Amino acid sequence: DARVTQTPRDKVTEMGQEVTMRCQPILGHNTVFWYRQTMMQGLELLAYFRNRAPLDDSGMPKDRFSAEMPDATLATLKIQPSEPRDSAVYFCASGLVPDGVALSDEQFFGPGTRLTVL
Amino acid sequence: EDQVTQSPEALRLQEGESSSLNCSYTVSGLRGLFWYRQDPGKGPEFLFTLYSAGEEKEKERLKATLTKKESFLHITAPKPEDSATYLCAVQAERGGADGLTFGKGTHLIIQP
Repeated sequence: DARVTQTPRDKVTEMGQEVTMRCQPILGHNTVFWYRQTMMQGLELLAYFRNRAPLDDSGMPKDRFSAEMPDATLATLKIQPSEPRDSAVYFCASGLVPDGVALSDEQFFGPGTRLTVL
Repeated sequence: EDQVTQSPEALRLQEGESSSLNCSYTVSGLRGLFWYRQDPGKGPEFLFTLYSAGEEKEKERLKATLTKKESFLHITAPKPEDSATYLCAVQAERGGADGLTFGKGTHLIIQP
C-alpha cells in the first residue's frame, strides 16, 4: 500500500527554535509538494520539486523557511527560527509526471505534521 | 492571482438528503480542477480531476461537474460516512506551475 509518510506527526516547540519536518514520497513519484494548512488561510502551496530540483518556492517565507530534497526518497522542510505564526499543519504530497507531460495530475497527500510554536 | 471560493462553508444534511457543493474559480488558463475529501486529522484524499467545461465524473454517490466559472459536487442519497470536508482546487496552465490553489472547503455533516 503505497503512501506518503511524514515525520514527526506532532511537534511542539518554542519560538526561536529550529524545526525540521521530513517527508518520504511514494516510491517512483518524481514531484514533491509542501503545503501548509491553517483555519484562516486554508491550504497554501509553499514549494515543490520535480526530479529533486526546486521549481517554485514563491509561497515560502525565504528568510526563515528552506526546503530541500537530499535524495529521491526524502524531502525536508526547515524553519529557522520558528515563530508562533508558523503554527499550522504542514502537508507533503507527491505525484508522478510522465515524460513529455508538463504538469502533474493527482497529488497524494501525507498525514501531515502538526506544528505548534509557543 | 488564482482564486477559489467554496460555498457553503458548512452543510448539515439528513441521511438520504441529496445536495450540491459549489466551487467558483478564477484562473488564467485552467489546466485542471480537482476535488479532494479531507477527514479530521488526515491529509486530503483525491476524488476527481476535471479538465474542460461540460465534463462530468462520478464515484459512488458523488458526481462532479465543470463549467467555465464553477464546479459542482453533487451528493446523492448521502450516508454518514460521507461526512468530511470537501476541498476544491485549481491548477493553472502556467509553465511548470504544478501547485494547486485550494478553496477553504465545505464541511459536510450527514446525520443518521
